[in-house]
Amino acid sequence: SQTIHQWPATLVQPVGSPLSLECTVEGTSNPNLYWYRQAAGRGLQLLFYSVGIGQISSEVPQNLSASRPQDRQFILSSKKLLLSDSGFYLCAWSVRTLAYNEQFFGPGTRLTVL
Amino acid sequence: AQTVTQSQPEMSVQEAETVTLSCTYDTSENNYYLFWYKQPPSRQMILVIRQEAYKQQNATENRFSVNFQKAAKSFSLKISDSQLGDTAMYFCAFMKLRTGNTPLVFGKGTRLSVIA
Repeated sequence: SQTIHQWPATLVQPVGSPLSLECTVEGTSNPNLYWYRQAAGRGLQLLFYSVGIGQISSEVPQNLSASRPQDRQFILSSKKLLLSDSGFYLCAWSVRTLAYNEQFFGPGTRLTVL
Repeated sequence: AQTVTQSQPEMSVQEAETVTLSCTYDTSENNYYLFWYKQPPSRQMILVIRQEAYKQQNATENRFSVNFQKAAKSFSLKISDSQLGDTAMYFCAFMKLRTGNTPLVFGKGTRLSVIA
């Protein structure tokens, strides 16, 4: 069966520090991968998606970047965190098929920038 | 661009009663999917129900059902016989029907509290 992992689960970082959040998927190959952010009191906002290794699309211009060094690994990074980067970050994957592809979400990372 | 609107930030319902959560969306697409996700206090996103736009029949999953009105671009969720475990944030989401990447567009959510 497929599983998706995210770490760390919780992170507290000072403003201006770097960030690296990791997401890995097991039990599937060539998945589509997504990073979403859920800010307090708001819905989920798509940040990045990837359809393959090294292929990253950004939905919203911001202080963050994403990379996909391996087929089932998706990393969210920042060189200098801002207060506004605080939130709950969710990684998701879906099967790359021709039809409907349900997205499966990881457990999330709660990031607090102080 | 697609947008999803949930006009009820918070709702409450008595245990065993029925509650309906509203969702409207805007799109120029003809083929798409609509979803309701549940996010309990654990923050894990759980798919509750999905609806294919080309299907006229409303989707049903046990106590959960939807009222899909394509012309009105409305997609409400009905929870029957509410249980305490239904307490959660509920998100309505839209997805285009196409090959390759298909990101979800979410509404801002409705916080549902089931009261004993």
